[in-house]
Amino acid sequence: DTAVSQTPKYLVTQMGNDKSIKCEQNLGHDTMYWYKQDSKKFLKIMFSYNNKELIINETVPNRFSPKSPDKAHLNLHINSLELGDSAVYFCASNPRGATGANVLTFGAGSRLTVL
Amino acid sequence: DQQVKQNSPSLSVQEGRISILNCDYTNSMFDYFLWYKKYPAEGPTFLISISSIKDKNEDGRFTVFLNKSAKHLSLHIVPSQPGDSAVYFCAASASGGWGKLQFGAGTQVVVTP
Repeated sequence: DTAVSQTPKYLVTQMGNDKSIKCEQNLGHDTMYWYKQDSKKFLKIMFSYNNKELIINETVPNRFSPKSPDKAHLNLHINSLELGDSAVYFCASNPRGATGANVLTFGAGSRLTVL
Repeated sequence: DQQVKQNSPSLSVQEGRISILNCDYTNSMFDYFLWYKKYPAEGPTFLISISSIKDKNEDGRFTVFLNKSAKHLSLHIVPSQPGDSAVYFCAASASGGWGKLQFGAGTQVVVTP
């Protein structure tokens, strides 16, 4: 039973389209994240939610909108896709929050290719 | 602004020998450090961590060393095994940061027979 699952695993789409990536965790964690791994392989945080509340919002274009319907789910919607959005997007979760040791559990990633 | 740096993009080591991976950081607020291992087409998986109040942490074949004054940490894998071939990411976080991890660029380790 996968701890952090993302769908879809692969997504190929045209510029200008709108797409969503879904994430679910069955670990009972309170905090969830979206990370982006670009072509240079850097993993960079985009957003974080704690119990459905947005707590981290890095400098990300407004075209990216996270949504957390409950603490087990964190979805990422991207409007008006651009070539530069092509990347692997990782969802992660964390049993802790503001304090304490933070060991994130990652999903397998969703590879987005914008043509 | 890369606050966590892994200056060696790749490392090749013979099976049975020691692998040493290095990581440097610039932010003195970091107080918790982690190593993640990543296979192709999979997500990073947690390997080992160390708090800033320690200078060494061991878990089986894996040992992480922290030198706070030099803002440097290293991961030792002894003995290296073929299954250790993967990309290793160094990550750091600061208290009160809601688990926000800053990652290095990763080091590709190849263990040869």
